[in-house]
Amino acid sequence: KAGVTQTPRYLIKTRGQQVTLSCSPISGHRSVSWYQQTPGQGLQFLFEYFSETQRNKGNFPGRFSGRQFSNSRSEMNVSTLELGDSALYLCASSPGLTGTGELFFGEGSRLTVL
Amino acid sequence: AQRVTQPEKLLSVFKGAPVELKCNYSYSGSPELFWYVQYSRQRLQLLLRHISRESIKGFTADLNKGETSFHLKKPFAQEEDSAMYYCALSVRRRDDKIIFGKGTRLHILP
Repeated sequence: KAGVTQTPRYLIKTRGQQVTLSCSPISGHRSVSWYQQTPGQGLQFLFEYFSETQRNKGNFPGRFSGRQFSNSRSEMNVSTLELGDSALYLCASSPGLTGTGELFFGEGSRLTVL
Repeated sequence: AQRVTQPEKLLSVFKGAPVELKCNYSYSGSPELFWYVQYSRQRLQLLLRHISRESIKGFTADLNKGETSFHLKKPFAQEEDSAMYYCALSVRRRDDKIIFGKGTRLHILP
């Protein structure tokens, strides 16, 4: 089985721009969750989707949004980028709900905001 | 409030010495806890979960509800154990998500 795939792997943006990141979960997994990873804050939960519905959202501003498609693929969008948005964004899929704890992570999309 | 605390950002241990990575949690419900590991240039992956009570790569972790802890232990450290370790708490009541600690970088000294 192919693992979780995230694209793009690396990207550089400037302040004020917007970015869209994509995540393809493991085949058959219906739950996708997103995390922001930084050296200072570790892994912070962004949101979770299950069967195209957002079930949970972390404490991030409204500039961070996401969606899930009928094939379980997910995208997250960050608008009006700020320098502090520079981070590794990780996507994880799960065969059941995220709370089961069995998460399979992608390699991440490293975003640099200049 | 639900919270996972890993008090050490960096832990350096000599090869062959015992390892203990500390994790404390705060949760009013029945906790489900996990350890995730990220080796250099690899994906974050599940190491073990408390309900399975397994030993993975020589690591064990016991849930202590009285001390609200889930420390990760290994009797004899190996160089390949050098990695970033995250403790995680599953929140199932009303919400359904995983809360991660900030992580501990384990550095095994030769």
